[in-house]
Amino acid sequence: EVQLVQSGAEVKKPGESLRISCKGSGYSFTTYWIGWVRQMPGKGLEWMGIIYPADSDTRYSPSFQGQVTMSADKSSSTAYLQWSSLKASDTAMYFCARRYCTSTSCYLGSYDSWGQGTLVTVSS
Amino acid sequence: QSALTQPRSVSGSPGQSVTISCTGTSSDVGGYDYVSWYQQHPGKAPKLMIYDVSKRPSGVPDRFSGSKSGNTASLTISGLQAEDEADYYCCSYAGRYTFVVFGGGTKLTVL
Repeated sequence: EVQLVQSGAEVKKPGESLRISCKGSGYSFTTYWIGWVRQMPGKGLEWMGIIYPADSDTRYSPSFQGQVTMSADKSSSTAYLQWSSLKASDTAMYFCARRYCTSTSCYLGSYDSWGQGTLVTVSS
Repeated sequence: QSALTQPRSVSGSPGQSVTISCTGTSSDVGGYDYVSWYQQHPGKAPKLMIYDVSKRPSGVPDRFSGSKSGNTASLTISGLQAEDEADYYCCSYAGRYTFVVFGGGTKLTVL
């Protein structure tokens, strides 16, 4: 069974750093792109970017470029999303998701397996 | 303001059909056949319902269908059931610089 398991909720202060994780299992972690999606409280989904764990090729949404860093560790089948200096406006639920692929193709903008989400709260 | 425009809410009675629209531009919805739709129940992760405009992943009921005309994509749910009550988001590939954009989401209420 394909699973993406994310790290637990975090409460941080403005200016602090943070790294959250997304561990994949049940499939070949290195050969599927992993995307990150933000959902602010009571709001919609926002695509942040995507990483290919095999070579850490990364693409960021212009809205998030320079604001976060995505990385991946092949040895532990884990993707990471990190901030160097959090702001109150980073308070949100963050989801990781695996890009949808069949035996014949992979599909842009489509994600078939999702983590349970990590709630990040930034407050002084 | 989201890149793709969806109605804030739609509603229908059990057994009826509803359609949710998703309007973008020629740079996203109109430019590529890479529109997907997600269902999200409160407190849960999104679930992929439609990909590549009109294809259904395995396990998604055929009551869910997708289409596109010009810069507007649509999700139609026929034979509404109580468990279809959820938020629905459209998503489109938007080229090599923006990559992917979501709609603002539509709350479906089953009356």
